[in-house]
Amino acid sequence: NAGVTQTPKFRVLKTGQSMTLLCAQDMNHEYMYWYRQDPGMGLRLIHYSVGEGTTAKGEVPDGYNVSRLKKQNFLLGLESAAPSQTSVYFCASTQGTEAFFGQGTRLTVV
Amino acid sequence: DQQVKQNSPSLSVQEGRISILNCDYTNSMFDYFLWYKKYPAEGPTFLISISSIKDKNEDGRFTVFLNKSAKHLSLHIVPSQPGDSAVYFCAASIQGAQKLVFGQGTRLTINP
Repeated sequence: NAGVTQTPKFRVLKTGQSMTLLCAQDMNHEYMYWYRQDPGMGLRLIHYSVGEGTTAKGEVPDGYNVSRLKKQNFLLGLESAAPSQTSVYFCASTQGTEAFFGQGTRLTVV
Repeated sequence: DQQVKQNSPSLSVQEGRISILNCDYTNSMFDYFLWYKKYPAEGPTFLISISSIKDKNEDGRFTVFLNKSAKHLSLHIVPSQPGDSAVYFCAASIQGAQKLVFGQGTRLTINP
């Protein structure tokens, strides 16, 4: 049972480049989330999904887009990366009273 | 506006003693609170939670206390062990573990 898996684990982008982060969960959870973690800021919610085909904005959505075409996958896209998007990104899924997190993606935008 | 605050960025405790991590929140609609533990280069892992209908929840060495009138919760670890050294995040939500709002985290170091 893999839980929540994020791909890739590390990435360096140049300003203006685009990329997609993939999150996959095998627990059949309805809810999925993308957070970013920055020093002194905790984890902040970017976007979330309450089920297949649905997405909604979180606390810091600007500069990101998401898609949930399949229940088990939640994609986070950066269309034109900026240095301010340098961060560690965590995907999570929940069902009920516990959230399960992936191992994180460390993204550096230069 | 930070709805969940952990005002101590770091805490150092001797092995075997009690570790107390604190968390304050401002949104009175929060009714579910969780603590997560995070090691470097790993994702947060669930530690313990408490519903607003309770004021205490215990799981082995870990106990979470909730004071709704003060909008404050704390995590007690007794006795503290070297493997407890990690960053601890407090999180809050409305209804279960959905759309968690996290504090800034507290780095706990257990000294031998």
